Amino acid sequence: AAGVIQSPRHLIKEKRETATLKCYPIPRHDTVYWYQQGPGQDPQFLISFYEKMQSDKGSIPDRFSAQQFSDYHSELNMSSLELGDSALYFCASSSRLPGNTIYFGEGSWLTVV
Amino acid sequence: AQTVTQSQPEMSVQEAETVTLSCTYDTSESDYYLFWYKQPPSRQMILVIRQEAYKQQNATENRFSVNFQKAAKSFSLKISDSQLGDAAMYFCAYRSGQGGSEKLVFGKGTKLTVNP
Repeated sequence: AAGVIQSPRHLIKEKRETATLKCYPIPRHDTVYWYQQGPGQDPQFLISFYEKMQSDKGSIPDRFSAQQFSDYHSELNMSSLELGDSALYFCASSSRLPGNTIYFGEGSWLTVV
Repeated sequence: AQTVTQSQPEMSVQEAETVTLSCTYDTSESDYYLFWYKQPPSRQMILVIRQEAYKQQNATENRFSVNFQKAAKSFSLKISDSQLGDAAMYFCAYRSGQGGSEKLVFGKGTKLTVNP
């Protein structure tokens, strides 16, 4: 079965640079979520989209922005990168029905040097 | 806001034995869903089991089962016949059943070690 696809899987950026992560949800899933997981921490919710509209917002820095496109893929843009942004970034998707399981991609490893 | 608490940062079990991971949560909602996710060293987040709050019957998936105590707001995970491949970080997660707040809220996780 198709899973959530994230790209790139690994990237290294320097401080103050910009990074863009992409996410392709499971087909027919209309909701996308972004999570950030620092070393030794639990995943922290950043933002979510339903039908291309932002549906919820968590602890996403102002330097970060995201959107969901007409084909339902989503992109997380991170600017003015800081060392503390180094983390594993998960994209997840689900269909809108209440309680539906949220499935995670394999994550994108971002290292800021 | 909902919170999820996992009081055991680390647990260990002998291969083939049974282990129970604890999870409690706090919510004022009556409609919600609970999940256990497994995160092995590869860091992939893998769904282990889910429970609907409106169901009284405890969910079971092969060697994995839960003890859902709604009044006590407790949701523990029991792993039977533990295998080396069960070694991972386990996260308990809550998801609201109300529209507009459907994100997962995670606990801090329990690191499970399986000893041969």
